[in-house]
This record gives sequence, structure tokens and C-alpha cells, in this order.
Amino acid sequence: DQQVKQNSPSLSVQEGRISILNCDYTNSMFDYFLWYKKYPAEGPTFLISISSIKDKNEDGRFTVFLNKSAKHLSLHIVPSQPGDSAVYFCAAGDYNQGGKLIFGQGTELSVKP
Amino acid sequence: EPEVTQTPSHQVTQMGQEVILRCVPISNHLYFYWYRQILGQKVEFLVSFYNNEISEKSEIFDDQFSVERPDGSNFTLKIRSTKLEDSAMYFCASRKRDHGGEKLFFGSGTQLSVL
Repeated sequence: DQQVKQNSPSLSVQEGRISILNCDYTNSMFDYFLWYKKYPAEGPTFLISISSIKDKNEDGRFTVFLNKSAKHLSLHIVPSQPGDSAVYFCAAGDYNQGGKLIFGQGTELSVKP
Repeated sequence: EPEVTQTPSHQVTQMGQEVILRCVPISNHLYFYWYRQILGQKVEFLVSFYNNEISEKSEIFDDQFSVERPDGSNFTLKIRSTKLEDSAMYFCASRKRDHGGEKLFFGSGTQLSVL
């Protein structure tokens, strides 16, 4: 079941530059999408979300873009900081599924000073 | 800030033994979940729980698994007879009911090792 896919297992970026993390999905019924950040030995921490009726949501350094026709979303982090180094998970949900989230495989971001 | 707490942080058990993983969700949340992550793999949904009953479960959540909310604060996951392939990090999560409460709040996880 690969409804949510993150095809890049890792990404390395220089401090101060933009990080772009990508996510694709196959289920057109998803109503909302979220990005979670995860450090080792910790649980996923919510970062930012977007409703399927929007194409952009911004929160400080983090912006999520949604392209419904392409079934693609991306997370932009500008400027990237070393503390952003973590695994980023894309997740999707459907209001009819009781809040269950389907997660992608994750992308490990490394921000180098 | 309120958080989901899980105990223990690590659990080592022998194959065939029963384990109970414990969680205290955020107090005003009404939906509860268990997820797991096998090392190197994605975070997988196991079960959702609302109004004292299971609302949805995945194929992974077979008869060996059960969940319970024994009192007003705890939410437990029991594995009756553990298998080697049950070794994973288990995450409890909860969320509010009201509109806009789509985001799940996760605990720090219990690392289960089945030997």
C-alpha cells in the first residue's frame, strides 16, 4: 500500500539555503496533508498542514505547496538551519477515515553548517 | 504544552510472551491511535479508538493485538503472544474532536524488542 510516497530517502543542504522535500500521493480522496518532523528516539512532531482546498500554507520558515492535479506536495524550508536536520514525514488523511493518517517513508534532511 | 506520554520507553521480551504498552493521551483529546515503525520503514497505522471502541484497524492488527482504555486517562496496547516481527517502535497518538483537529499528537514511543 503505497498511497503516500517520498521518493528521496535523504537530502543534504547547506545552512541558509532552501530545503525542498517532496511527496506524492495516489488517493484523490485525501482531504488534508501534514508534515511531521522526527528526531531519533522521539515521536513525530507536527510541523505544518494544508487542506486539499488550498494550494499553499506558510508558517514562518516553512511553506507547504499542494498541486492536486499532479497529486504532489512539497515542503520548503527557508532558510535551512542545522537544527532542521531530522527525518521529515509526509502524511495524508481523509475525513471519512476517522483521523487515520497514512505516512510516507520519510526523507532524512541534513543541513550542513 | 500538554503531551502524550508513553511507558516504558524500552521493552525487551521473549517470543511468545505478552506485553502491554501504556499511553496517557492529552487530557481533552477524544481520538486515540497506535502506530508502529519497524526500523528503517515507514510509520504504519495499527488502530484507532473512539468512544470506547475500535473505529478502524489495519491488517497488522490481528487477534494477537488488543487495545483498552481502562480508565479516563490510560490507553493500552496489548500483544498477547509476541513474535520476532513485532519488534518495532510503537507510537501512541491522540487528537481533539473539533474542526481543524486533524493533526495527531504523538508520544515518544516504546521500543519493543522481541528476542
